[in-house]
Amino acid sequence: AQTVTQSQPEMSVQEAETVTLSCTYDTSESDYYLFWYKQPPSRQMILVIRQEAYKQQNATENRFSVNFQKAAKSFSLKISDSQLGDAAMYFCAYRIRITQGGSEKLVFGKGTKLTVNP
Amino acid sequence: GAGVSQSPRYKVAKRGQDVALRCDPISGHVSLFWYQQALGQGPEFLTYFQNEAQLDKSGLPSDRFFAERPEGSVSTLKIQRTQQEDSAVYLCASSLGPRATIYFGEGSWLTVV
Repeated sequence: AQTVTQSQPEMSVQEAETVTLSCTYDTSESDYYLFWYKQPPSRQMILVIRQEAYKQQNATENRFSVNFQKAAKSFSLKISDSQLGDAAMYFCAYRIRITQGGSEKLVFGKGTKLTVNP
Repeated sequence: GAGVSQSPRYKVAKRGQDVALRCDPISGHVSLFWYQQALGQGPEFLTYFQNEAQLDKSGLPSDRFFAERPEGSVSTLKIQRTQQEDSAVYLCASSLGPRATIYFGEGSWLTVV
């Protein structure tokens, strides 16, 4: 089964501090990409960061970085110097391409609600 | 257009009514996805198009759900005889191709009463 597990339904952090959101996934595919999306109340999914599974180096995007452990199928997101605007739902997802038929899809976790306290 | 556009943004339907949700992907985007997101859940895959071809409809929950993209651009998700469990946000997304960034629209919020 293709699944994504986010074990933290809610997290909170003080402004300017660091928080880590966890994610594990399960796929038998060898070619996939991993993503963290942010979803504010407007419900639009905003891409935060992406990681190609074949790359060993962890992706970094300004204050956002990931810890990608391929063997453990773990993909956590670290937010440094948290800001009030970071408050949102965060979804971990992986993208797979289904060789037979040429389809592709994103598989999402259930999300982690991040609160940033002033 | 500048982004993925979805309409209507909000729809209230009486149980048993048919609804149609429209998605205008970014111009030139080959891949188009539909997702269903129930309250408090992550998005669930419904269907995938590559140009006008529907390559995967494995996520459509029942035969009341139907999607099309006849000219390879605008897509419509149709739900027949709506039921209360259909209440959700329906997200459309598009990308240039298999390895390109996927962009999401703001969703169509459907409430069935």
